[in-house]
Amino acid sequence: AQSVSQHNHHVILSEAASLELGCNYSYGGTVNLFWYVQYPGQHLQLLLKYFSGDPLVKGIKGFEAEFIKSKFSFNLRKPSVQWSDTAEYFCAVILSNDYKLSFGAGTTVTVRA
Amino acid sequence: GAGVSQSPRYKVAKRGQDVALRCDPISGHVSLFWYQQALGQGPEFLTYFQNEAQLDKSGLPSDRFFAERPEGSVSTLKIQRTQQEDSAVYLCASSLELNPLYNEQFFGPGTRLTVL
Repeated sequence: AQSVSQHNHHVILSEAASLELGCNYSYGGTVNLFWYVQYPGQHLQLLLKYFSGDPLVKGIKGFEAEFIKSKFSFNLRKPSVQWSDTAEYFCAVILSNDYKLSFGAGTTVTVRA
Repeated sequence: GAGVSQSPRYKVAKRGQDVALRCDPISGHVSLFWYQQALGQGPEFLTYFQNEAQLDKSGLPSDRFFAERPEGSVSTLKIQRTQQEDSAVYLCASSLELNPLYNEQFFGPGTRLTVL
C-alpha cells in the first residue's frame, strides 16, 4: 500500500529562520503531490501542488517545494518564516489514475516571535 | 456560502448511539469526499461521490458507516452503534470536477466526534 511519510512531528523555529519539512512517498508510478496547511482554527487549505514540468514549485505565502523523483521526495521550504506561519502542514499524494488524497501524519510548525 | 460547511462542528455520543454528520459542499461542485482524521494523524479517505452516485466506499472502516448524497448536493455520513475508536474529526471536501489536475479539493472545518 502506498504511504506518505513526514519526518518531523513538531518543528519549533524563531522568526526569520529557514524552514524545510521533509516528505517521502512510497509509490513507483506517476504521482501528483500536494502540500496542505491548516492554520489554528481554520480549514485545511492548499499551499502548493505538483503535477508535471518544473520540479520546483512555488506556492502561496512564499512557500516552495521541490520534487526529486529519484528520492521519492517532495520537501517543503520557506527561506524566512513569520509568526503567522505557525500551523500544521500536511504532505499528500494522488496517484495518476486516482482521485483520493493520501496524507502524511502532518508536521506541526511553531514559530516563536 | 463561499466554502464547504459541516455540521455539527462538535458531537459527543455515548457508545452505541447512532450519529449523522452533514456536509454542504460548494454550490455546483460535482465531487464530494469524506475523510477521517484520527488524533495526531493525517486525514484518511472514507468515500467519494460524483453527483448522487457513490463511486468509491473502499475507505469506510466497517458496515456501521454509511454515506449518502441523494440529490447530488448535501451529503450525510451516518455512523451506527458508535464505538470509541470512531472518535475522530470527520472532514468533507468538494471539488468542481473529478480530475485533480484541474480541480482542487476544498475542505470543510470538520466535525469532531467524541464517543464516550
